[in-house]
Amino acid sequence: ELKVEQNPLFLSMQEGKNYTIYCNYSTTSDRLYWYRQDPGKSLESLFVLLSNGAVKQEGRLMASLDTKARLSTLHITAAVHDLSATYFCAVDGGTASKLTFGTGTRLQVTL
Amino acid sequence: DSGVTQTPKHLITATGQRVTLRCSPRSGDLSVYWYQQSLDQGLQFLIQYYNGEERAKGNILERFSAQQFPDLHSELNLSSLELGDSALYFCASSGPNRATNEKLFFGSGTQLSVL
Repeated sequence: ELKVEQNPLFLSMQEGKNYTIYCNYSTTSDRLYWYRQDPGKSLESLFVLLSNGAVKQEGRLMASLDTKARLSTLHITAAVHDLSATYFCAVDGGTASKLTFGTGTRLQVTL
Repeated sequence: DSGVTQTPKHLITATGQRVTLRCSPRSGDLSVYWYQQSLDQGLQFLIQYYNGEERAKGNILERFSAQQFPDLHSELNLSSLELGDSALYFCASSGPNRATNEKLFFGSGTQLSVL
């Protein structure tokens, strides 16, 4: 059974600081997704990482994938308050494309 | 706006009752997925339909069932409801080609409260 773990579960950081969220998964997969969810809202797709070594950046967020280590990271650069949300990674288990989600990391950026 | 429409947004009902959640996928998308989000279980995949046929099953209870109709909209039926079924139910859709970087597009969800 595919397991996806994220850490930390909760992250409080000051504006302007940098930090990294980690996503580990238990079985081979070459397709990993990052989503953002605001409280009570839907999930918004941030990144799709399709191969080993893939790196994607959008604004202050950068995601990378190491399929050999079964690890993805979401790096936040110079955080701003608007980035406060819960971030999920999700791994495509290869079976009919269903995604297994991580536990989520709740990010709180303080002024 | 993802283009995936879910109704109703909120649903309050009693234990033992039956409810139906509805989802209309993005125009042109053939796959529909149902997910359940709760505080204790997180985001759990329930079931997937592709062009009217069941494609994959996840952690879906026997009390729950789903279908996808010829117009591609989908319904999730929850029966004999229990307090523990209270959760946010998401529908997502994707295009026909998963070999490319197709994302799942999520609807805004239906918040189910079982009292």
